[in-house]
Amino acid sequence: GAVVSQHPSRVICKSGTSVKIECRSLDFQATTMFWYRQFPKQSLMLMATSNEGSKATYEQGVEKDKFLINHASLTLSTLTVTSAHPEDSSFYICSASLGLAGALETQYFGPGTRLLVL
Amino acid sequence: GQNIDQPTEMTATEGAIVQINCTYQTSGFNGLFWYQQHAGEAPTFLSYNVLDGLEEKGRFSSFLSRSKGYSYLLLKELQMKDSASYLCAVKSGAGSYQLTFGKGTKLSVIP
Repeated sequence: GAVVSQHPSRVICKSGTSVKIECRSLDFQATTMFWYRQFPKQSLMLMATSNEGSKATYEQGVEKDKFLINHASLTLSTLTVTSAHPEDSSFYICSASLGLAGALETQYFGPGTRLLVL
Repeated sequence: GQNIDQPTEMTATEGAIVQINCTYQTSGFNGLFWYQQHAGEAPTFLSYNVLDGLEEKGRFSSFLSRSKGYSYLLLKELQMKDSASYLCAVKSGAGSYQLTFGKGTKLSVIP
């Protein structure tokens, strides 16, 4: 099956610093990648949709200048949390879509990155 | 808007059967997914329904009624490892790959 990796799996940083999270599709080319955030006991909240070679589409309420997304290739997307603050502490999960035509299309999730901002 | 409702928590006994319900009101519909998520891990795909009826896959089955905006996930022969959160997600746009997730149902399987 399709495998998606994320790096790092866990990061602790000081308030005000920037953190970059990488999402890679290991055995397929992902036309579209998604970034989610999940707070404890909450569901996944979509932050942005990223298509290779174009600007990401951000969901309402997500600051595009704070959460920088780059999708430079069909196998790599990065999320940079700039000037992180304690309220940005969360579980960040990426997913990738094969982008095939047809209704049966699932997203393959990475293992997630737990961010703790002190 | 999009609204997906699931029970917050459920408890069931090892070896039993449990049904997790999901109701949705979305601006469009192009399929409903069920994911399993263990604590601290990413979701894993369980099932997909786009037409009405029951889809069976081993111990897991998923049912959809589009007219009622309703789905359920049925887990049979429960095992302790089935303790996890179960997420219902709807793909609302044709050609769109975006999913809207419910808050998830935390299932606890007890001996």
